[in-house]
Amino acid sequence: DTAVSQTPKYLVTQMGNDKSIKCEQNLGHDTMYWYKQDSKKFLKIMFSYNNKELIINETVPNRFSPKSPDKAHLNLHINSLELGDSAVYFCASSLSSSGTGWKTQYFGPGTRLLVL
Amino acid sequence: AQTVTQSQPEMSVQEAETVTLSCTYDTSESDYYLFWYKQPPSRQMILVIRQEAYKQQNATENRFSVNFQKAAKSFSLKISDSQLGDAAMYFCAYRTLFGAGSYQLTFGKGTKLSVIP
Repeated sequence: DTAVSQTPKYLVTQMGNDKSIKCEQNLGHDTMYWYKQDSKKFLKIMFSYNNKELIINETVPNRFSPKSPDKAHLNLHINSLELGDSAVYFCASSLSSSGTGWKTQYFGPGTRLLVL
Repeated sequence: AQTVTQSQPEMSVQEAETVTLSCTYDTSESDYYLFWYKQPPSRQMILVIRQEAYKQQNATENRFSVNFQKAAKSFSLKISDSQLGDAAMYFCAYRTLFGAGSYQLTFGKGTKLSVIP
């Protein structure tokens, strides 16, 4: 039973193209995230999103946009792809709706994007 | 903004031995959460262990334990009886408790652990 899934696992594309990465979670979580892992393995938050607010890391170019058709899905759309966008993109989800508590994030398997 | 530092880019341990991975962080908050995640070659991010800052007791999960020193802002991971399957990148992560940033993790740069048979 896959908790957080992403498609595709690998994506090779040309500069200037537009692409999307899909993410789905079946954990009943209400908050989803996108992280970028660069070539040096550094993980950095891009977006966090629940049904109340979208929080965008200010360093993320506006060519990147999250789209959420429903609570179980948060897709990442990238316009005008650049060489520097090559990275592994991770989707994650957590339950964040009430109070404090762990709100542990569970990660998808990652999507390796290569821009040529 | 919080920062997380892992000062050991790579470490190695003999199978069945014990290894400690270090992590320090910088924050002005008094309550927060700390996590260790493991990333094997499969790329999957796997939660290893977690700690609440207001709890004095160090967290333990089977062969994994932490040494949490709040005053020193240190959160090291100890792996006992190391196994070949422990070979992976290990990431230390911080999560604030409240506010707009409470939904995100701030990661260190990772420590690559090799296990020698």
